Amino acid sequence: EPEVTQTPSHQVTQMGQEVILRCVPISNHLYFYWYRQILGQKVEFLVSFYNNEISEKSEIFDDQFSVERPDGSNFTLKIRSTKLEDSAMYFCASSRDGIPNSPLHFGNGTRLTVT
Amino acid sequence: GNSVTQMEGPVTLSEEAFLTINCTYTATGYPSLFWYVQYPGEGLQLLLKATKADDKGSNKGFEATYRKETTSFHLEKGSVQVSDSAVYFCALSRLGETGGSYIPTFGRGTSLIVHP
Repeated sequence: EPEVTQTPSHQVTQMGQEVILRCVPISNHLYFYWYRQILGQKVEFLVSFYNNEISEKSEIFDDQFSVERPDGSNFTLKIRSTKLEDSAMYFCASSRDGIPNSPLHFGNGTRLTVT
Repeated sequence: GNSVTQMEGPVTLSEEAFLTINCTYTATGYPSLFWYVQYPGEGLQLLLKATKADDKGSNKGFEATYRKETTSFHLEKGSVQVSDSAVYFCALSRLGETGGSYIPTFGRGTSLIVHP
């Protein structure tokens, strides 16, 4: 069964540095998402992406964050000038379409640790 | 706004015990409802879903019924196994602010620990 893959599985960075989290969504899926989960807290929506542009974003997704689909397979989340509070598990997800009952397929996540 | 509320965990059970994890939602209109499961070291994966009132979603012995009158979608299983130990997330699908796509909104997750 096709799956969403994320790299790296764990990223450690120093405060103020930039990180890029990478994802390869399922190939015939059209909608892509980033969520994050701070330890012990709920899974929070960051951004959705469709047709090479952002379709929705949360208030968390400010100018520090950006997403890109640089080629036909990768979907990246860039975090500029990382802060301690950016430490979290970041999940990429994709869905075949954006209809209400269409489930998301998640990757295994990237654990970001900012020191 | 649209949100889901799940019971606090962890829920600790013995093998073969009956499981209920409560979930209630707040939403405008009639959202689709989901349960996702996260096994250790893995991402979330869909467990079951229901798209309209009185629908029952089921999978792997788990089931949940979409109750509009009580705005609930409680997860149940008659006899849990050690392998069911995981974190369970209730979710609803809401239309995004710009109307561009439907965005699943998740609860906090409920950890289930099943002992032999």
